[in-house]
Amino acid sequence: DTAVSQTPKYLVTQMGNDKSIKCEQNLGHDTMYWYKQDSKKFLKIMFSYNNKELIINETVPNRFSPKSPDKAHLNLHINSLELGDSAVYFCASSQDRVPRYEQYFGPGTRLTVT
Amino acid sequence: RKEVEQDPGPFNVPEGATVAFNCTYSNSASQSFFWYRQDCRKEPKLLMSVYSSGNEDGRFTAQLNRASQYISLLIRDSKLSDSATYLCVVHNNNDMRFGAGTRLTVKP
Repeated sequence: DTAVSQTPKYLVTQMGNDKSIKCEQNLGHDTMYWYKQDSKKFLKIMFSYNNKELIINETVPNRFSPKSPDKAHLNLHINSLELGDSAVYFCASSQDRVPRYEQYFGPGTRLTVT
Repeated sequence: RKEVEQDPGPFNVPEGATVAFNCTYSNSASQSFFWYRQDCRKEPKLLMSVYSSGNEDGRFTAQLNRASQYISLLIRDSKLSDSATYLCVVHNNNDMRFGAGTRLTVKP
C-alpha cells in the first residue's frame, strides 16, 4: 500500500504554462509538506499544512499556491512556470507538527520546464 | 554560514570499512535532529533520530554535540547497500532544515 503518493511522477511543460501536482497520504497524518529538491540535490521546504491550516510558508514566489481540501491531500499549483522551477518536488507527511515525528516522503514529481 | 552544513563527499570506502559523517548547524535553539537516507532518484527515508545521549541502531550510531552544534553518523562494517546520500535534518519549532547531503559509495 502506498503511504504517500504523488501524481504525476514526471511533468514536462513549457515556460508560461500552469500546472498542478497532487499529493495524497493514507497514513492518517495531520501534517503535510511540499519540498523542492534542485539540481544540486538541496532539499528545501516550501509549505507545511496541519489539519488544512498553513503553518509554514517559506519564501517562495506567489506563483506557487498550495491547496489542502482535506488533511489527506495537499496539492501544489504553479502558475506561469519558469525555467528555474525545474526540480524534483516531494510531498511528505508526518503524524503531527511536532518536530520529533518522522516524515514520510512521496516518490517525487520530476518537473522539467522547457 | 549555512544553517545546516554537510561535507558533500563523495566518500568512497571499501566494504567492511567504518565511515563517519558530521553535520553542523547554526541555530543553537534547534530541538530535534535526524539522519535521512536518500537513494539515487528516490525519496528520502528516515534512517534514525538523534538523541541527546547518542543512540545506536545496529551498525549505525548517531551522536549529538550541542556545545559544538554538530551531529554525527557512524556506519560500521559498511555494506554495498549502504551506498546512498545521507541527509541531516535539524528542527526548531516550525522551522526545519535539511543539509545538502553526504554521498557515500561502498565498493566491493
